[in-house]
Amino acid sequence: GIQVEQSPPDLILQEGANSTLRCNFSDSVNNLQWFHQNPWGQLINLFYIPSGTKQNGRLSATTVATERYSLLYISSSQTTDSGVYFCAVESLTGTASKLTFGTGTRLQVTL
Amino acid sequence: DTEVTQTPKHLVMGMTNKKSLKCEQHMGHRAMYWYKQKAKKPPELMFVYSYEKLSINESVPSRFSPECPNSSLLNLHLHALQPEDSALYLCASSRDSPSSYNEQFFGPGTRLTVL
Repeated sequence: GIQVEQSPPDLILQEGANSTLRCNFSDSVNNLQWFHQNPWGQLINLFYIPSGTKQNGRLSATTVATERYSLLYISSSQTTDSGVYFCAVESLTGTASKLTFGTGTRLQVTL
Repeated sequence: DTEVTQTPKHLVMGMTNKKSLKCEQHMGHRAMYWYKQKAKKPPELMFVYSYEKLSINESVPSRFSPECPNSSLLNLHLHALQPEDSALYLCASSRDSPSSYNEQFFGPGTRLTVL
């Protein structure tokens, strides 16, 4: 099956710093999503981004499907950004689609 | 409204118990999913329902039995579980348009402990 790797696995930032998270995938995919999982386990949708660049406030994402990677940029980080960031790629199995999650990046933002 | 609800939030059960997890969405989505997430690991797909029919079973043991009574509801029936089945169980839904816009939205999860 498709392999999805994220880097770095762990990241500690001071409040106000910027960061870039990377997601590499091993095969062509239909779509890609970025999530933030908060400490209570809720997966929060950040971006649905099969290709191109999108921005939402302090966050932006870029997917280069032909080169099989996606980047998530966090600017001016805040303590509430702490948690685990997952990318997930959509692939088809027959007529059904499935999400395969990446290995995750655990982010801690300190004061 | 992009809300998926799950009940219960927490569940503790013995290995001989039978229990059920419930998931509901009112977004008109036609695909619903169960995922299992162990501590410090990514979610892993268990089942996919498309238009109320089971379309993907990721070789899940038979002690987990999914059910989709209608397009808004998804259940996961649990029987004779093992302690290693303790995990966060996440439900998700999407429009079910694999070749088009098919963003998945997740519920808050049920944290299951098997004693």
